[in-house]
Amino acid sequence: GQQLNQSPQSMFIQEGEDVSMNCTSSSIFNTWLWYKQDPGEGPVLLIALYKAGELTSNGRLTAQFGITRKDSFLNISASIPSDVGIYFCALHPPGTYKYIFGTGTRLKVLA
Amino acid sequence: ETGVTQSPTHLIKTRGQQVTLRCSSQSGHNTVSWYQQALGQGPQFIFQYYREEENGRGNFPPRFSGLQFPNYSSELNVNALELDDSALYLCASTPAGDSEETQYFGPGTRLLVL
Repeated sequence: GQQLNQSPQSMFIQEGEDVSMNCTSSSIFNTWLWYKQDPGEGPVLLIALYKAGELTSNGRLTAQFGITRKDSFLNISASIPSDVGIYFCALHPPGTYKYIFGTGTRLKVLA
Repeated sequence: ETGVTQSPTHLIKTRGQQVTLRCSSQSGHNTVSWYQQALGQGPQFIFQYYREEENGRGNFPPRFSGLQFPNYSSELNVNALELDDSALYLCASTPAGDSEETQYFGPGTRLLVL
């Protein structure tokens, strides 16, 4: 089945640093989604991308839909302690009702 | 606060038993999806219901079944529980008319099968 590979799996960073993470798929897709999951909560949608090359921001978060349509990147600028959590990329294959989630990047911010 | 609630929050069952998990969405959320999230993994799509009918299913056996009710609540039923069914079960609902990417997740039910 379709797999989404996220990297890094986890990262510790200092407060104020910028963070980058990415997600790759084995197939081409038309929609990339980025979610964040806090402990004890369900995932929350951060950014949705619909076009190859698209760059979209949500506050300190910026995500890009890769030109090859097989990857996506999420950047967090000037990280703060509340950025701690698990970040998932997800795909919505066209013509289906299913969503495919990656394995997640666990972010820990050191104050 | 997503307005999606799930019950119970935690549950312990033994192998072979049956379990029913519940989800309550906001009024007007006529699409609900269920996911299984094993420890350290991303959510895996189980199935989706729209207007009380199943309209999509992931790679889960028939012992995983669901119901959606007119009052915007839904259930996930799992029969003949196996140890590997231990996971966080999430439901997510979408308001009528919103894009399919607009899913609001509940906090989940953590199921432990012994």
